[in-house]
Amino acid sequence: GIQVEQSPPDLILQEGANSTLRCNFSDSVNNLQWFHQNPWGQLINLFYIPSGTKQNGRLSATTVATERYSLLYISSSQTTDSGVYFCAVEGPGGSEKLVFGKGTKLTVNP
Amino acid sequence: DARVTQTPRHKVTEMGQEVTMRCQPILGHNTVFWYRQTMMQGLELLAYFRNRAPLDDSGMPKDRFSAEMPDATLATLKIQPSEPRDSAVYFCASGRRYEQYFGPGTRLTVT
Repeated sequence: GIQVEQSPPDLILQEGANSTLRCNFSDSVNNLQWFHQNPWGQLINLFYIPSGTKQNGRLSATTVATERYSLLYISSSQTTDSGVYFCAVEGPGGSEKLVFGKGTKLTVNP
Repeated sequence: DARVTQTPRHKVTEMGQEVTMRCQPILGHNTVFWYRQTMMQGLELLAYFRNRAPLDDSGMPKDRFSAEMPDATLATLKIQPSEPRDSAVYFCASGRRYEQYFGPGTRLTVT
């Protein structure tokens, strides 16, 4: 099945810093989503982005499907951005089954 | 603000007991997914439904787990008998073509 690798596994920032999280995948994708799991465990949709670029406030994401990677940018980070960021992909075939990466754990210090 | 709801939020039970977890998907969503999250395995898909029909439960231990959708507003995941290795957070998610939205999860502890 499709493989998903996220980097870095851990990231520590000072409030106000910018960061880039990466997701590599091993096959073409029908679906790619970024999620934020907050410290209380809730998984929150950030972006549905199988290709192209989207922005939502301080967060933006870019997927280059032909090169099989996606990037999540966080600008002017805040302590509330702390948590784990997951990339999840659906491989070819239309099954709607998402395969999750292991996540990037982000800690933003005040 | 439409959300996926799950009950109970926390469950502590003894080994051998039956556990039932419930999920109410977002109205209008036609796919429902059950995931399990552990430190060791991360997020794993257990089963999913489209239009209430089970499509794939290959991620689920068949001898003790079962998943059903008795109607469009309710999905259930049962474990019988439960074992300590079933301790995990169980998430339900619903979607309507591609995007999936997750519930708050049920944290299960089996002693």
